Order: sequence, then structure tokens, then C-alpha cells
Amino acid sequence: GNSVTQMEGPVTLSEEAFLTINCTYTATGYPSLFWYVQYPGEGLQLLLKATKADDKGSNKGFEATYRKETTSFHLEKGSVQVSDSAVYFCALWGGSQGNLIFGKGTKLSVKP
Amino acid sequence: EPEVTQTPSHQVTQMGQEVILRCVPISNHLYFYWYRQILGQKVEFLVSFYNNEISEKSEIFDDQFSVERPDGSNFTLKIRSTKLEDSAMYFCASSASTSGIGTDTQYFGPGTRLTVL
Repeated sequence: GNSVTQMEGPVTLSEEAFLTINCTYTATGYPSLFWYVQYPGEGLQLLLKATKADDKGSNKGFEATYRKETTSFHLEKGSVQVSDSAVYFCALWGGSQGNLIFGKGTKLSVKP
Repeated sequence: EPEVTQTPSHQVTQMGQEVILRCVPISNHLYFYWYRQILGQKVEFLVSFYNNEISEKSEIFDDQFSVERPDGSNFTLKIRSTKLEDSAMYFCASSASTSGIGTDTQYFGPGTRLTVL
């Protein structure tokens, strides 16, 4: 069945460091891929998405490219800020049920 | 900006008791979902709801669970007889449509933390 695997956290970085959170997926067909972010005390917010191979989703300085050949959708940001501290979830939409399938989440802490 | 709201933010209950978790989806959305996240584990799909009936449900969504849209705005999840293992964060989500090609975005509420003692 469809599944998402993302790197285990927590990830701790200094402000202005480069961020990569790895995400790989297993799916039949060509699912849409998403990154959601959960700030402390808040719900899941869509950060970015990509709907087909080689698409790049971007938002708030974050980017992720849909790589069909490596079945990956890694999240990157060139210079993180303290305000980026949150839990990041990779997800795919492509299940027959119309639901999202999530990875376990990666907690990011950015220190000043 | 429209948002999904959920109440209560935290619910504590005794094992065997019934609980109702409430959600107000975004007003023009047509599809509604419940997910849950047990502490330290993945966010898991429970059920989707469209046109006043369940569209799909996961194996987690057994006879102890039910959903309802009692009026034009609320969407509820009921657990009839809670178990210790029902302790989790429950998220409601809504979307405008499922296009069939996976391009629709689900908007999530802040979650209800359910603690079963």
C-alpha cells in the first residue's frame, strides 16, 4: 500500500543554517505530495505541495521537488529562523479513500 | 482567512464514557475528515464524509465510532465507549472536493487532545 517515510527527529539547527528534511514515499501511480507544518499549539497547516513529477512546491522560503525517479520529496530551506521551529509532516494524496497518508513528522528546533 | 475550528481543545474522560468531539469546517467545503495522532506516532486517517454519509473509513473506525453533521455547520465525531488506547490528538479537516486526481488540499483544525483515564 501507499506509505510515507520521513527522517526521524528532532532536528536542532542554529539560526541561518541550511535545512533538509528527507521524505520518501511508496505509491502506485503518481500521487500528489504535500508538506504540512504544525506550530506549537496549532493545527496542521499546508506549507507546500506538488502534484506531478519535477514540480517544485515553494512557500515561505521552503522548497521541495517531486522526484519520481527517487520517489522523494525532500524539504529544504536555505536559512532557517527561530520562527520555523515546528513539526513538519510529509504526506501524499493518492489513496483510494481520498485521504492523506502522513509520515511520522520531524520536529525542528532552531536556536538563536 | 477561513479556518477549521475544533472544540474542546482538550477533553479528559473516564474509560467507558462517551465523548463527542466537535468541528466546524470551512463553510463552503463539501468533504470532511477525521484523523488521529497517538502520541509519537503517525497521523492516521479515520473517516471521510460527503453528502451526509461516510465516503470511506479506515479499519480503526470501528463500531465504537460514528460521525454526524447535525446541522449546516458542525461535524462531530462520537466515541461511544472510550478505551485507554483512544487517547490521542484528533484532527478534523475539510476540503472543497476530491477531484479524483489528487490535487485538492485538506485544511486542518488545531485538534482536540483526548485523554482517557
